[in-house]
Amino acid sequence: AQTVTQSQPEMSVQEAETVTLSCTYDTSENNYYLFWYKQPPSRQMILVIRQEAYKQQNATENRFSVNFQKAAKSFSLKISDSQLGDTAMYFCAFMSSGNTGKLIFGQGTTLQVKP
Amino acid sequence: KAGVTQTPRYLIKTRGQQVTLSCSPISGHRSVSWYQQTPGQGLQFLFEYFSETQRNKGNFPGRFSGRQFSNSRSEMNVSTLELGDSALYLCASSLWTSGGGEQFFGPGTRLTVL
Repeated sequence: AQTVTQSQPEMSVQEAETVTLSCTYDTSENNYYLFWYKQPPSRQMILVIRQEAYKQQNATENRFSVNFQKAAKSFSLKISDSQLGDTAMYFCAFMSSGNTGKLIFGQGTTLQVKP
Repeated sequence: KAGVTQTPRYLIKTRGQQVTLSCSPISGHRSVSWYQQTPGQGLQFLFEYFSETQRNKGNFPGRFSGRQFSNSRSEMNVSTLELGDSALYLCASSLWTSGGGEQFFGPGTRLTVL
């Protein structure tokens, strides 16, 4: 069974600085997808970034980028120029290519951006 | 385009009762997934429906069931409620017909079982 592990329950960063959130996963599959979702205090889950395992190039979305290491089964999220609005819980998630509609989530990392 | 909507937003029930939660996906999305979020267990997948068929199911007891209608709206039902069913229930819709697509989440239904 696939598992996702986020080893940092809480992190904090000063506004405008860079922070990296860690995620490791376990799977025996070769084709899968990885996601980072953000859940602010309002509880609305929002997709931050998506990575296809067969693509070697790391995904980027504006200030958000990932470091995808397939062999190491590692998928970290880097947030550059942190903003107060980035304060939220961040979830790393895995989806098998053959397991439709099913996201497997890590336990989450609470990120606080300090002014 | 309107986002995923869930009703009701808050619900209080007592043990032994049953409850039905509703989810309306984004227009054009045919896949609807349901998740349970609790402080102790985190986010856990309940089931996924596509074109009125349950396509995938998580490890929850049979008290948890769902269905999807021809307009892609989905409901989940929990019978014989237990205290441990208190949670935030999230639904998510996707445009993708196969795995790997982005899921768009609703605001959730907060269920409290007394």
